[in-house]
Amino acid sequence: RKEVEQDPGPFNVPEGATVAFNCTYSNSASQSFFWYRQDCRKEPKLLMSVYSSGNEDGRFTAQLNRASQYISLLIRDSKLSDSATYLCVVTRGGGNKLTFGTGTQLKVEL
Amino acid sequence: SAVISQKPSRDICQRGTSLTIQCQVDSQVTMMFWYRQQPGQSLTLIATANQGSEATYESGFVIDKFPISRPNLTFSTLTVSNMSPEDSSIYLCSVFTPGQGTDTQYFGPGTRLTVL
Repeated sequence: RKEVEQDPGPFNVPEGATVAFNCTYSNSASQSFFWYRQDCRKEPKLLMSVYSSGNEDGRFTAQLNRASQYISLLIRDSKLSDSATYLCVVTRGGGNKLTFGTGTQLKVEL
Repeated sequence: SAVISQKPSRDICQRGTSLTIQCQVDSQVTMMFWYRQQPGQSLTLIATANQGSEATYESGFVIDKFPISRPNLTFSTLTVSNMSPEDSSIYLCSVFTPGQGTDTQYFGPGTRLTVL
């Protein structure tokens, strides 16, 4: 079983749609959780951290369920510029080493 | 946030040769990491570059193949030795910066390596 599992997609959605990505992780000792965004041929960039209480940043909402070891990302009112690969990332235990999921590809279309 | 640069940005190399990738950060950072992203795959951690001591390698990666230097808190190099086509990948350095309520890792732009 992979340490971090994501649906690879692609998710093809029309502009303005709401789309949700899910991620599961296997290491119950993981302490920190993130969503990164990676554009084609670019480096990953932090989109948002994920907290147990859930957190929102504009059109983006992240949720964490520690009991189920499950993380989600919701994007509302999708824009063309949201097209990218979204990487679910967790730390190994309490340290700073990151484990990346394989990413979910999103394509927002007119 | 940290600004990270890498050199070279890309290279095409012959089998059996070695390439050294440089990573420069605009501020002193405690932790630097090297990752690999093979075609169509996600990122895999190669090693943690430790300042003043030997790097700490992840399972499946060894010092003879990927020697790493970290002479100070703003600079590190990764060498890909005795290359084969399987080493064709993007190599990224990252730094960890403790932040305000959240710790963040920033990534360099990557070095795209093709081995013929």
